[in-house]
Amino acid sequence: DFQMTQSPSSVSASVGDRVTITCRAGQDIRRWLAWFQQKPGKAPKLLIYETSTLQSGVPSRFSGSGSGTDFTLTITSLQPEDSATYFCQQAHALPRTFGPGTKVEIK
Amino acid sequence: QVQLVQSGAEVKKPGASVKVSCKASGYTFTNFDINWVRQATGQGLEWMGWMNPRGGASGFAQKFQGRVSLSSNTSTTTAYMELSSLTSDDTAVYYCARGVVSSSWFDYWGQGSLVTVSS
Repeated sequence: DFQMTQSPSSVSASVGDRVTITCRAGQDIRRWLAWFQQKPGKAPKLLIYETSTLQSGVPSRFSGSGSGTDFTLTITSLQPEDSATYFCQQAHALPRTFGPGTKVEIK
Repeated sequence: QVQLVQSGAEVKKPGASVKVSCKASGYTFTNFDINWVRQATGQGLEWMGWMNPRGGASGFAQKFQGRVSLSSNTSTTTAYMELSSLTSDDTAVYYCARGVVSSSWFDYWGQGSLVTVSS
């Protein structure tokens, strides 16, 4: 299975800050990576797919980049509603696997 | 609008089976895969498997092989996930999710169904 890791495990930032989350794949997954946002008690929400394509309706302050094994999710100008846990997911091979998550808190 | 509505919470005893349903609406049911993902309390996301409602093709994560069954009813646009030989480790919220591009991306999710396994 393709192992996925994320860092940091949690981050606390102020409204308006820039937040960057890193996802690393155990093997080359090219650009087959998605990012999800999950709020407590809710289902995950697809934010970005194929590394950098924003899902319809997702604010442009979210962006993704990377390729191969190293990827980033960036939130420019953090908003209160961005408080959530963020997961990466590889789509290069079955089984699909997710990172352990990064919890973003607002100071 | 696309919606996936899942069945309610279940409490099962160890060794029993559970069947979770996922009612799809707002799109052509047979044009997209349905995937199943679970999440234990406070834990990460674990992909279980996928199925195509059109032809019935499916695939599973190896750890669930032989214990999970995926099915669908195209007339009611409902997908089902049945998990057998339950243990306490199966206590989790189970999600269905629509898959696109050969189930690479999961663009719509159900609200989740809590399955509790307890004696």
